[in-house]
Amino acid sequence: GAGVSQSPSNKVTEKGKDVELRCDPISGHTALYWYRQRLGQGLEFLIYFQGNSAPDKSGLPSDRFSAERTGESVSTLTIQRTQQEDSAVYLCASSLPRGRNIQYFGAGTRLSVL
Amino acid sequence: AQSVTQLGSHVSVSEGALVLLRCNYSSSVPPYLFWYVQYPNQGLQLLLKYTSAATLVKGINGFEAEFKKSETSFHLTKPSAHMSDAAEYFCAVSLTGANNLFFGTGTRLTVIP
Repeated sequence: GAGVSQSPSNKVTEKGKDVELRCDPISGHTALYWYRQRLGQGLEFLIYFQGNSAPDKSGLPSDRFSAERTGESVSTLTIQRTQQEDSAVYLCASSLPRGRNIQYFGAGTRLSVL
Repeated sequence: AQSVTQLGSHVSVSEGALVLLRCNYSSSVPPYLFWYVQYPNQGLQLLLKYTSAATLVKGINGFEAEFKKSETSFHLTKPSAHMSDAAEYFCAVSLTGANNLFFGTGTRLTVIP
């Protein structure tokens, strides 16, 4: 595809529900990242995938957060038992294999937990 | 530890005036440095990056940034602001051994007609 695609663009959910966010990276980009952007703040790193290597989960804030990626394609970020503090924009980025390569970002999913 | 600091969460300039957005990093080893711009309801778009080549880096839309090791700074400038420059700007660093980028808290630029 032309760019990183994320869906849905907006998600409103009730506290306690599970949500699943999707990211479709740029074709050929083996590295994929998830970030969280809270209102008025910078981006917080959540998780990093590189090819078939074990993901770097060091940024996940709790065990309610998990992510999967099938090969070098689509990734899903799952938040279980959502809390109001999970409300944020979740951004996905992809890049070529080296960690210092340019990261290309999707438009994000705006999650609102009521 | 804070890896990157952006001074000024909001900056307002008049159309045609100089734009200066400040970014300082903390790293014993010069990192790779990036400036991204985020327009409303859009993802982040790369403006420019520093990768230890020339210290003055030119980016898109007339922006440039200068890497100053002695000041651990990577400030973003543009000689003449346009209305279309109104957006949020993020400075980011890539540190040796880290997979992700570390972002500053962002600076919202307002351009006054």
